[in-house]
Amino acid sequence: DAMVIQNPRYQVTQFGKPVTLSCSQTLNHNVMYWYQQKSSQAPKLLFHYYDKDFNNEADTPDNFQSRRPNTSFCFLDIRSPGLGDAAMYLCATSRGEGRDEQYFGPGTRLTVT
Amino acid sequence: ILNVEQSPQSLHVQEGDSTNFTCSFPSSNFYALHWYRWETAKSPEALFVMTLNGDEKKKGRISATLNTKEGYSYLYIKGSQPEDSATYLCASRYTGNQFYFGTGTSLTVIP
Repeated sequence: DAMVIQNPRYQVTQFGKPVTLSCSQTLNHNVMYWYQQKSSQAPKLLFHYYDKDFNNEADTPDNFQSRRPNTSFCFLDIRSPGLGDAAMYLCATSRGEGRDEQYFGPGTRLTVT
Repeated sequence: ILNVEQSPQSLHVQEGDSTNFTCSFPSSNFYALHWYRWETAKSPEALFVMTLNGDEKKKGRISATLNTKEGYSYLYIKGSQPEDSATYLCASRYTGNQFYFGTGTSLTVIP
């Protein structure tokens, strides 16, 4: 089945140690999104790609970077994770922006020790 | 940052009951309203995307309405079943590609 895959499902990293989360899709969608969801809070959009065009939300910390080497893959890099970066990270895709529904992966739960 | 609010935060209903929740959002520069269902240990799944004032959409026992002028959407579930137990998230999109989720309504359907 076509889907959005996130690896790993659970990631533990140390304070300050760079970590990369990955997302892949078999839907051939143009748009890929990264969301951060902290406990009991709403998912928060960090950034998204429309094809190769990168769109950073204004309040996304510089500590968070993203790469999209091709249509299928998108990576979230956290350069120096802090304890406050512990969260669920969700990847999603959509055919276009705005009116198109998003297809989500299962998420990666990041723990920072 | 815009506030998208959902109420109630959680809800317990008996199997067979009908229920509804609310999503409130700022209406200025509104573009689209999304509803998602998120079951535990699964991926969020799209239910509806609505754009026009007065829109009504239906999928099986679930339906939704949209009022863009006053900034709210209702999600209705008719004859709730245990498999409807999930968190229901709404998200509002604005011109300029701003996209904001609410914190969700957690529904538990008791058999």
